[in-house]
Amino acid sequence: DGGITQSPKYLFRKEGQNVTLSCEQNLNHDAMYWYRQDPGQGLRLIYYSQIVNDFQKGDIAEGYSVSREKKESFPLTVTSAQKNPTAFYLCASSPPGPYGYTFGSGTRLTVV
Amino acid sequence: KQEVTQIPAALSVPEGENLVLNCSFTDSAIYNLQWFRQDPGKGLTSLLLIQSSQREQTSGRLNASLDKSSGRSTLYIAASQPGDSATYLCAATDTSGTYKYIFGTGTRLKVLA
Repeated sequence: DGGITQSPKYLFRKEGQNVTLSCEQNLNHDAMYWYRQDPGQGLRLIYYSQIVNDFQKGDIAEGYSVSREKKESFPLTVTSAQKNPTAFYLCASSPPGPYGYTFGSGTRLTVV
Repeated sequence: KQEVTQIPAALSVPEGENLVLNCSFTDSAIYNLQWFRQDPGKGLTSLLLIQSSQREQTSGRLNASLDKSSGRSTLYIAASQPGDSATYLCAATDTSGTYKYIFGTGTRLKVLA
């Protein structure tokens, strides 16, 4: 079955650590996106990539980094510069054009 | 810049009731609008996608309408069931020339048995 896989489901980060969230899709979609979800707020865009080896900052990119070396993969690194990283992180993908998003099941990141 | 609003933030209804969830957007030059369902601690599941040229889409007990001129979309749920309890989010494409979505904050629906 085609879909998007996010791992791990739960992740704990110590102060000052960088952590990487995985997002893999087998839908052959060109575009991939990372969103952050906080209680009571809508989803906010962190980074997006429309083609391999290219990506753009979203609305809240500070403290995050991404790479897009393969069409299937779009990992997100939460760096130590992100001061409030505790949140639910969602990855999505879409084919070329206005055909909607498919989402992964999310990663819940907690700072300990 | 596109903004998406969903009111009310929360809604409780008795089982069997028909209900309407509302979504408003500020810029009518959208490519499409998508409705999602989110269960607690889970990702988003796509329910319906309405292209800008369409007026409505139907899937089972769900019907979504789109009125670009007024900047509104509604999600109609017929004969609600406790299993429909979830948060419903709408997302409209931004109008900057990409197909990125701008999300509302969602309506948390509880259907009482």
